Amino acid sequence: QQPVQSPQAVILREGEDAVINCSSSKALYSVHWYRQKHGEAPVFLMILLKGGEQKGHDKISASFNEKKQQSSLYLTASQLSYSGTYFCGTEGTGTYKYIFGTGTRLKVLA
Amino acid sequence: DVKVTQSSRYLVKRTGEKVFLECVQDMDHENMFWYRQDPGLGLRLIYFSYDVKMKEKGDIPEGYSVSREKKERFSLILESASTNQTSMYLCASSLGGLAGGSYEQYFGPGTRLTVT
Repeated sequence: QQPVQSPQAVILREGEDAVINCSSSKALYSVHWYRQKHGEAPVFLMILLKGGEQKGHDKISASFNEKKQQSSLYLTASQLSYSGTYFCGTEGTGTYKYIFGTGTRLKVLA
Repeated sequence: DVKVTQSSRYLVKRTGEKVFLECVQDMDHENMFWYRQDPGLGLRLIYFSYDVKMKEKGDIPEGYSVSREKKERFSLILESASTNQTSMYLCASSLGGLAGGSYEQYFGPGTRLTVT
């Protein structure tokens, strides 16, 4: 089952903040976040691991609630370059298999 | 920089043809993945491989097979292409083998396959 992302789409003005959520029905080992610009390949943003370890870009922050199998990506002081589709990818404990969500389309306006 | 390359950006094939999509990575990654991307459905895993000659089915393996004879190369094969396999196909690689959840994936540019 694909993780559920919310919202499906969001429009922001430059400088505004946004939160993108990812929710799974299964126990998770890790959550990955990627951004894909139109016509380009997805690019890594962040990994959050069970136990609290995080790896990713300095300007991106995210949280991982292991008990609720939920993760949130926080985009603060958004810039035009933040526009794109954001995907969360989840790996269940013991499955060794990634499942990506359907994506959140984010557009930042000047 | 990690580089993942795919053999074609655009491909047009006829129904029933055998189709090969090739992916090559240059960073000695253990894991390689094939996804298809369709509007509104996100990235769906077709197959992944955690070592040479090793493969695991993803969520939508039907109609596809894979081959990994060398560590750097992962091929996706459509034995008999059908119109419902028209899609964007993305290859990715990562470190980690079966512990790959700790490592980011690097994606190739994608192959847009049209089956007519």
